[in-house]
Amino acid sequence: AQKITQTQPGMFVQEKEAVTLDCTYDTSDQSYGLFWYKQPSSGEMIFLIYQGSYDEQNATEGRYSLNFQKARKSANLVISASQLGDSAMYFCAMRGDFGNEKLTFGTGTRLTIIP
Amino acid sequence: DGGITQSPKYLFRKEGQNVTLSCEQNLNHDAMYWYRQDPGQGLRLIYYSQIVNDFQKGDIAEGYSVSREKKESFPLTVTSAQKNPTAFYLCASTQGPTVEPQHFGDGTRLSIL
Repeated sequence: AQKITQTQPGMFVQEKEAVTLDCTYDTSDQSYGLFWYKQPSSGEMIFLIYQGSYDEQNATEGRYSLNFQKARKSANLVISASQLGDSAMYFCAMRGDFGNEKLTFGTGTRLTIIP
Repeated sequence: DGGITQSPKYLFRKEGQNVTLSCEQNLNHDAMYWYRQDPGQGLRLIYYSQIVNDFQKGDIAEGYSVSREKKESFPLTVTSAQKNPTAFYLCASTQGPTVEPQHFGDGTRLSIL
């Protein structure tokens, strides 16, 4: 069974600072994918970034980067130069190998950016 | 523009009533999913379908039913057997390999009258 753990229910960060959102995972699959989604108060789920288990380099997408430490089974999201619009819920999710493609979500972290 | 359309945005259910949530996608994706989100919680998988005319139960399928008669449509029925249906429901789709992210609709908020 797959499991995602997000241990930070809420975080407050000053605008323009960098922030790291923690995510650890557990799986027996050899091949898997890790995703981060942003959910604003309006409710839609916005895909941010993806990391494959065999990717040797950490994924980056604009101000988002994923700090992937496979041996520690962690996939932390780093947001550089935070903006007020970054205030939202953030979910880490995992998708397993072929035949186990369901997404398993963590409980999320509510990020609030302070002006 | 390609995407996923969920309707209605808000839905109210009376006691003992079945209600159906619509999900339509024009992304030509094979796989579609239904999730339930309770306040302050993550998403939990209700049902998913990887191909037309086939679907599997997720983690919390009791009290729900689905059909997949067309590739682009995956409606979810919340039956009267679901005793606590008040939640936010999200539909998603994806195509093929693990690297593809799931694309989500804007969700339906279901409440009990």
